[in-house]
Amino acid sequence: AAGVIQSPRHLIKEKRETATLKCYPIPRHDTVYWYQQGPGQDPQFLISFYEKMQSDKGSIPDRFSAQQFSDYHSELNMSSLELGDSALYFCASSERQKNTGELFFGEGSRLTVL
Amino acid sequence: DAKTTQPTSMDCAEGRAANLPCNHSTISGNEYVYWYRQIHSQGPQYIIHGLKNNETNEMASLIITEDRKSSTLILPHATLRDTAVYYCIVLSNTGKLIFGQGTTLQVKP
Repeated sequence: AAGVIQSPRHLIKEKRETATLKCYPIPRHDTVYWYQQGPGQDPQFLISFYEKMQSDKGSIPDRFSAQQFSDYHSELNMSSLELGDSALYFCASSERQKNTGELFFGEGSRLTVL
Repeated sequence: DAKTTQPTSMDCAEGRAANLPCNHSTISGNEYVYWYRQIHSQGPQYIIHGLKNNETNEMASLIITEDRKSSTLILPHATLRDTAVYYCIVLSNTGKLIFGQGTTLQVKP
C-alpha cells in the first residue's frame, strides 16, 4: 500500500539559509500534518491543513510557512535557519471523513543546520 | 487538551505480555484515547484507539477503566521488535495529536 512520501530524506543547510520540505500524502487523504522532533525530544505539532486550508496551528515559528496544494501535497518552507532547527520533520496524513486520529506518518526528513 | 501521564520507561521479557499504563484523569466524555509508538527515528505508528469499551486488534489490546481516567495498552507477546517509545494521547477536538512524554519500552531477550 502507498505510504506518505517525504522528500528530501536528508538535508544539510547553513545558518540563515532556507529549506523546503515536501510531503506527498496517501492517495485520497485530504489532511496533512507537520511535526518537528528535535534530538531526544517528542514530536511537536507544527501545523495542519485540510482541503488546502490551514486547519490548526501549533508551535510553528514565524520563520516557517507551509501550504497544501491542489493535488494535496504539502510543503514546509523554513527561512533564516537556526542551529536549533536541526531536527526530524515528520509529515502525516489522514482522511478527515473518517473522523479518526489515525494518522499515517512518513519516514521523516532530517534537517541539519550547520 | 487533556493531559496524559505515563511512566518514563519499562522493561519486558521477550514473549511475555507488556502492560503499559496511562493516566488521563481530565479526559472529557467524548474524547478518544489513542496509542502510537515510535521505533527509533522512524515515523510514529498508530496502534489502537478507544472511547470507553475495551478494544483489540492484531497489534494490541486497550483496556479503559470504567471512569475513563486511565487505560492500559497490552502487547500480548512482546518481541524485540516491539522495543520503542509508546505514546498515550487524548485526541483534541480539532483532531490534532499532541505527543507528550511517552514510555520507553525495552523488550529484553
